[in-house]
Amino acid sequence: AQKITQTQPGMFVQEKEAVTLDCTYDTSDQSYGLFWYKQPSSGEMIFLIYQGSYDEQNATEGRYSLNFQKARKSANLVISASQLGDSAMYFCAMRGVPNNAGNMLTFGGGTRLMVKP
Amino acid sequence: GAGVSQSPSNKVTEKGKDVELRCDPISGHTALYWYRQSLGQGLEFLIYFQGNSAPDKSGLPSDRFSAERTGGSVSTLTIQRTQQEDSAVYLCASSLGRYIETQYFGPGTRLLVL
Repeated sequence: AQKITQTQPGMFVQEKEAVTLDCTYDTSDQSYGLFWYKQPSSGEMIFLIYQGSYDEQNATEGRYSLNFQKARKSANLVISASQLGDSAMYFCAMRGVPNNAGNMLTFGGGTRLMVKP
Repeated sequence: GAGVSQSPSNKVTEKGKDVELRCDPISGHTALYWYRQSLGQGLEFLIYFQGNSAPDKSGLPSDRFSAERTGGSVSTLTIQRTQQEDSAVYLCASSLGRYIETQYFGPGTRLLVL
């Protein structure tokens, strides 16, 4: 079984500052993938960034980077230079080895980020 | 190109009625997933299709739930005899294939059972 834990239900950040959203995971799979999704108030889940368990370098996508610490089983999302439009729910998710459920994702409980002007 | 689309965007129904939710994946995506997002349970996986086939239906919450996919494209999720606990947002996602990582989500269908 896989488990994702996001310990920050809500966070505030000042516009233009960087913010780190925490994510820890638990799995017995040797091969897995970690994702971050953004869900604005409109409800759509927007893919932000992906990290494979065998990737040696931390993933980056524009202002998003994933701080992957395999030994600690953490995959924190770092958003640099926060913008007002970054205010949303953020979900960490993982997939294990593909099986009859395909690449089903297991999600954490989410972190609500609020960017202050 | 067009993303994943879902219809209806909102559905209000009375307890005991049947509802049908539709998902149109991104063109060419062979893998399709249904998830449910509710206040009490968070985001939970329901079912996966590779092509028209769903290898494992054990994620469906009860036998009132069924899903099908035809022509390797559109999928429908049917809930029979709806109950108030079925109220949730039903999200559909698609990916290029079983071994292609990223799932792209639709806007969801908000279901309210009165």
